[in-house]
Amino acid sequence: DIQMTQSPSSLSVSVGDRVTITCRASEIIGTYLNWYRQQPGKAPELLIYTASTLQSGVPSTFSGSGSGTDFTLTISGLLPQDSAIYFCQQTYSSPYTFGQGTKLEIK
Amino acid sequence: QVQLVQSGAEVKKPGSSVKVSCKASGDTSNTYAINWVRQAPGQGLEWMGRIMPFVDIVIYAQKFQDRVTITADKSSNSAYMELSSLNSADTAVYYCARGVAGDPDYFDYWGQGTVVTVPP
Repeated sequence: DIQMTQSPSSLSVSVGDRVTITCRASEIIGTYLNWYRQQPGKAPELLIYTASTLQSGVPSTFSGSGSGTDFTLTISGLLPQDSAIYFCQQTYSSPYTFGQGTKLEIK
Repeated sequence: QVQLVQSGAEVKKPGSSVKVSCKASGDTSNTYAINWVRQAPGQGLEWMGRIMPFVDIVIYAQKFQDRVTITADKSSNSAYMELSSLNSADTAVYYCARGVAGDPDYFDYWGQGTVVTVPP
């Protein structure tokens, strides 16, 4: 199975800040990488697919980049509602696997 | 707007089975897959498998291969996930999620989640 490792595991930032979360795959996955946000008590929601394509309705304050094994999710102009856990997911091969999550706290 | 509505919370005894349903409404064109993902308390997301109803293909994660059965009823736009031989480690929120079933794949709509509790 492909292992997905996110860093950091958690971080605390302020409203208006810019933050970058990284995700590393244990083998090359091209751009078969998706990002999800899970707000407290809710189901995950898709933010970005194929590493850099913004899902419809997601604000342009979210952006993604990367290919191969290393990927990043950047959020600019943080808002209080961005406080959530962020997961990466590879869909290069079965079983689809997720990173362990990055918990983002907005101070 | 696509909606996935799942069945309600379950409390099960060790060794028993649970069957969770997921009903799609809105854009119910049958070229999508339904995936099942679970999340144990305070833990990450774990993919269990998926079904592509339009071609009746089911793929399971090897970890669950012997205990999970995913089915679909095209006439009611519903999918089902049955997990057998339950133990306390199966206590989790179970989500269905629509996958585009294409290349690449991603999960664009999710159900609200079904809490399954298996007391020790």
